[in-house]
Amino acid sequence: GDSVTQMEGPVTLSEEAFLTINCTYTATGYPSLFWYVQYPGEGLQLLLKATKADDKGSNKGFEATYRKETTSFHLEKGSVQVSDSAVYFCAFYNQGGKLIFGQGTELSVKP
Amino acid sequence: DAGVIQSPRHEVTEMGQEVTLRCKPISGHNSLFWYRQTMMRGLELLIYFNNNVPIDDSGMPEDRFSAKMPNASFSTLKIQPSEPRDSAVYFCASTFWGNEQYFGPGTRLTVT
Repeated sequence: GDSVTQMEGPVTLSEEAFLTINCTYTATGYPSLFWYVQYPGEGLQLLLKATKADDKGSNKGFEATYRKETTSFHLEKGSVQVSDSAVYFCAFYNQGGKLIFGQGTELSVKP
Repeated sequence: DAGVIQSPRHEVTEMGQEVTLRCKPISGHNSLFWYRQTMMRGLELLIYFNNNVPIDDSGMPEDRFSAKMPNASFSTLKIQPSEPRDSAVYFCASTFWGNEQYFGPGTRLTVT
C-alpha cells in the first residue's frame, strides 16, 4: 500500500553542518512529493515540493530531487542553522486524495 | 489571508465531558482535513471533506468522534464522551484541489 519511510531521528548536528534526511515512498503512479516542516508548538507548513520526476524543489536553502528510479525524495541543506531545528515530514497525495506522511524526523541543531 | 483558524488553542476537560473543536479554513479552499498528533502514533488523518461532503472517515477512531462541515467556512470535530487517551494536538488543514495543505496552529486537548 501507499507509504512513506523516513530516516529515524532525532538527528543532531552542529551549526553549519550538512544535512540529509532520507525519504523513500511507495505509491501508485507518480504523485507530487512534498516536504513539510513543523516548528515547536506550531502546525505543519510546506517547505518545498516537486511535481514530476527529476524536478528539484527548493526553499530556504533546502533542496530535494524527485527520483523516480529509486522512489526517493531526500532532503538536503548545505549549512544548517539553529533556527532549522524542527520536525520534517515527507509526504505525497495518494489516488484517494489523502496526504500520506512519513513518521517525521526531528532535527536538532546545536550552536 | 488569516490562514486556517482553529479554536480553542488549548482545552482541558474531564473524562466524560463533551469537547468541540472548531476550524475555519482558508477562503476559497474546497477540501478540509482533520488530523490528530501524538508522540505515540504520530500524525493521523481522522477525516476529510471535499466541498463540505465527508469523503473518508476511516481514520475516526470510534463512534465517540464525529465531524461536520455545515458550510465552506466552518467545521467542527466533536468528542463525546471524552477519554484521557484522546489527549493530543488536533490539527485542521485546508487546500484547493490537492495542492499544498495549509495547517492551522492546532488545538492541544488534555483530558484528565
